[in-house]
Amino acid sequence: QVQLQESGPGLVKPSGTLSLTCGVSGGSITSRNWWSWVRQPPGKGLEWIGEISHSGRTNYNPTLKSRVTISVDKSKNQFSLNLDSVTAADTAVYFCAREAQGGAIDYWGRGTLITVSS
Amino acid sequence: QSVLTQPPSASGTPGQRVTISCSGSSSNIGSSPVNWYQQLPGTAPKLLIYSDYQRPSGVPDRFSGSKSGTSASLAISGLQSEDDADYYCAAWDDSLIVFGTGTKVTVL
Repeated sequence: QVQLQESGPGLVKPSGTLSLTCGVSGGSITSRNWWSWVRQPPGKGLEWIGEISHSGRTNYNPTLKSRVTISVDKSKNQFSLNLDSVTAADTAVYFCAREAQGGAIDYWGRGTLITVSS
Repeated sequence: QSVLTQPPSASGTPGQRVTISCSGSSSNIGSSPVNWYQQLPGTAPKLLIYSDYQRPSGVPDRFSGSKSGTSASLAISGLQSEDDADYYCAAWDDSLIVFGTGTKVTVL
């Protein structure tokens, strides 16, 4: 059973960088799956941030592309998210996830609330 | 930013059938598999339907998906109290995943 766990600071200052890591257990990040980040502002819907393959290929949401970097660390079986120049609008629960065929997200982390505030 | 439109709410009594629509376009639903997710309060979404109508192992057959053209639907038959949740459709649009606006299902 694949499990994903987000980790990172829960509070980020405006104009700073949000950094999160997703640890993968019960499976290898070098599998043929892609690995995603999804966020959900409080009381709102889901927004896909981007994805990375085990080889490091990435796709990003165009609305965030200029501020987002997703990377993978095969030695630690984890992948990471960096979001630059954050504002209060970036306050959300951030989920890491695994994509299966057709972009179906079959495994999700529990999510972590990131608050942008001074 | 959602390009997939869902009704904000739906409701039914236990045992009834509820249907949720998801309207998109030729660049997403019209050319990509549709997936559906269920999100209970305070939890991560759960994959309910993939590739338009397939159910992952463990998902009851009360849940069914369909697609026609640029629209998709999720049906819940024999509604149960534990189905009280938010539901989201999703599909590829060019090279990104887009989610629906979400539908809150209330079991009366």
